[in-house]
Amino acid sequence: SQQGEEDPQALSIQEGENATMNCSYKTSINNLQWYRQNSGRGLVHLILIRSNEREKHSGRLRVTLDTSKKSSSLLITASRAADTASYFCATANLQGAQKLVFGQGTRLTINP
Amino acid sequence: DSGVTQTPKHLITATGQRVTLRCSPRSGDLSVYWYQQSLDQGLQFLIQYYNGEERAKGNILERFSAQQFPDLHSELNLSSLELGDSALYFCASSSGQGVSGNTIYFGEGSWLTVV
Repeated sequence: SQQGEEDPQALSIQEGENATMNCSYKTSINNLQWYRQNSGRGLVHLILIRSNEREKHSGRLRVTLDTSKKSSSLLITASRAADTASYFCATANLQGAQKLVFGQGTRLTINP
Repeated sequence: DSGVTQTPKHLITATGQRVTLRCSPRSGDLSVYWYQQSLDQGLQFLIQYYNGEERAKGNILERFSAQQFPDLHSELNLSSLELGDSALYFCASSSGQGVSGNTIYFGEGSWLTVV
């Protein structure tokens, strides 16, 4: 079963613009992680944000977490063609904490 | 490169057959996780091992089994294969016993096609 739901399912923007993807989840979490997947390739870990954190940055990536709304967002600034990929949020729930539960992902396309 | 190694990268086999997927975790990681990614089901957790012992089970079919060996590498065995088992199978590893506070690193996956 999917815990996270990403929104939008697909996003197409021009190179240089910012891209924002959202993730909503249902149960209380220990942490939330964002991953990138290039077509048919492995999952690349981007950022882990803990339930007691509200915002984290890594290079051009900014992740926010609102536990009261059970939602997270991933912002990619100054997008590049190489950012074209699918982005997934994954939650580590307080119960059943031995696994990450993934959403369906957002397919991001950066147009040159 | 995540440091998690999976073999084979691609595998084509017939229905009814059995295959074994292999995973070497990152150096020092004691936990290994197996996930299945298919178009209709998305990314589904199958099973987790920690230091040789099974720690958690997800949506793993009875036809599938896994184990983690003393050298910490893991194998996922898929038997009596059906067309619907065609998917990308991921192995992941982490240093801790679970995902709480631990970054989970994924391999490149093994593409299984059942014909």
